[in-house]
Amino acid sequence: QKEVEQNSGPLSVPEGAIASLNCTYSDRGSQSFFWYRQYSGKSPELIMSIYSNGDKEDGRFTAQLNKASQYVSLLIRDSQPSDSATYLCAVNMAGDYKLSFGAGTTVTVRA
Amino acid sequence: ETGVTQTPRHLVMGMTNKKSLKCEQHLGHNAMYWYKQSAKKPLELMFVYSLEERVENNSVPSRFSPECPNSSHLFLHLHTLQPEDSALYLCASSQDSIGSRAGELFFGEGSRLTVL
Repeated sequence: QKEVEQNSGPLSVPEGAIASLNCTYSDRGSQSFFWYRQYSGKSPELIMSIYSNGDKEDGRFTAQLNKASQYVSLLIRDSQPSDSATYLCAVNMAGDYKLSFGAGTTVTVRA
Repeated sequence: ETGVTQTPRHLVMGMTNKKSLKCEQHLGHNAMYWYKQSAKKPLELMFVYSLEERVENNSVPSRFSPECPNSSHLFLHLHTLQPEDSALYLCASSQDSIGSRAGELFFGEGSRLTVL
């Protein structure tokens, strides 16, 4: 079983719609959770971090964490073509540098 | 300069060559990392340095040799690589290597390596 699983996509959404990305993880003791965005040909960039159950909003992005169900999601509201990228879910299972990454979900926002 | 810078951005080498990747961070962070990114695969952690001390060598073959002369600089020395080592090599830094914020990584632009 993979430690962190994401649907590879591609996830295609129309401009202005909500893009919903999901991520599940295997270690119930995981402590911190991150979403990175990676544009084609570029390096990953941290866009959200979440540490406790519930929702965390930052601009058009909302991260949702449910530790009991072992999933974390990312919502992108009012999707823009500039949101077209691969989104990587990362989970910190030991409270240190050992991040486990998912393989990423590719999002395409069509104008 | 700001952030994390890597050189070279692209590198083509034969299997008998020796080359080095360089990374420099200007963020005052205490931890630096080497990651490998291959197509359609999750990021793989290779090495971790905290305050210039190596704290992780994630079963990486000895043909990859890291060096961290100070908290701002990180090198990855490459020798007798294999074609399957072709990938994007990413350097990253974080404030610390422990604690919840250890996962808040700042990546360089990467070095695209092709081994012929």
